[in-house]
Amino acid sequence: GAGVSQSPSNKVTEKGKDVELRCDPISGHTALYWYRQSLGQGLEFLIYFQGNSAPDKSGLPSDRFSAERTGGSVSTLTIQRTQQEDSAVYLCASSTQTGRSTEAFFGQGTRLTVV
Amino acid sequence: KNQVEQSPQSLIILEGKNCTLQCNYTVSPFSNLRWYKQDTGRGPVSLTIMTFSENTKSNGRYTATLDADTKQSSLHITASQLSDSASYICVVSAGREYGNKLVFGAGTILRVKS
Repeated sequence: GAGVSQSPSNKVTEKGKDVELRCDPISGHTALYWYRQSLGQGLEFLIYFQGNSAPDKSGLPSDRFSAERTGGSVSTLTIQRTQQEDSAVYLCASSTQTGRSTEAFFGQGTRLTVV
Repeated sequence: KNQVEQSPQSLIILEGKNCTLQCNYTVSPFSNLRWYKQDTGRGPVSLTIMTFSENTKSNGRYTATLDADTKQSSLHITASQLSDSASYICVVSAGREYGNKLVFGAGTILRVKS
């Protein structure tokens, strides 16, 4: 597709279960960002991938969160032993990062509900 | 540390009124600044882009300003409509030295009431 694709669009999981969220960036985009939005709150940075560089994981809230980006394309965000406070919309964005007109393109997000 | 701070965190206004959202950044060097609009349940979409040399740019009822000296930007919405209810996110692109990394503000949640 032409845009950033995230799956699933909605996920309901039981507390303590592991979940995987997927992001397919726009082809050729070297940069990929994961953010989350809790209900009524602003964007919270999670992790940033740029090409072959080591990812910036400074936003991951705990060691239950991890992410990888295989082959510089698809990224998976994994949350282990989910907690109710993990409930949020998880947004993925990608960009070319080519300079003056750099634009982030966002996916529709994955709404995660932990019950 | 490269940061983007937005204010207010949330705002409620009456339909037809104007409002101004603020974005202050410490990102340096600076490449460009974008304002995004995020409708409920959707991903953010770019409204306008400001480069270093631009002071003002309009997109319909939206007018963005940039003061690169004070590292401040604002988004002014004129004659607000119910459809303006959304989250508005300021995103600053760092310079080539930082790989043009994008630094995101937390956003301002705007609610327009009838």
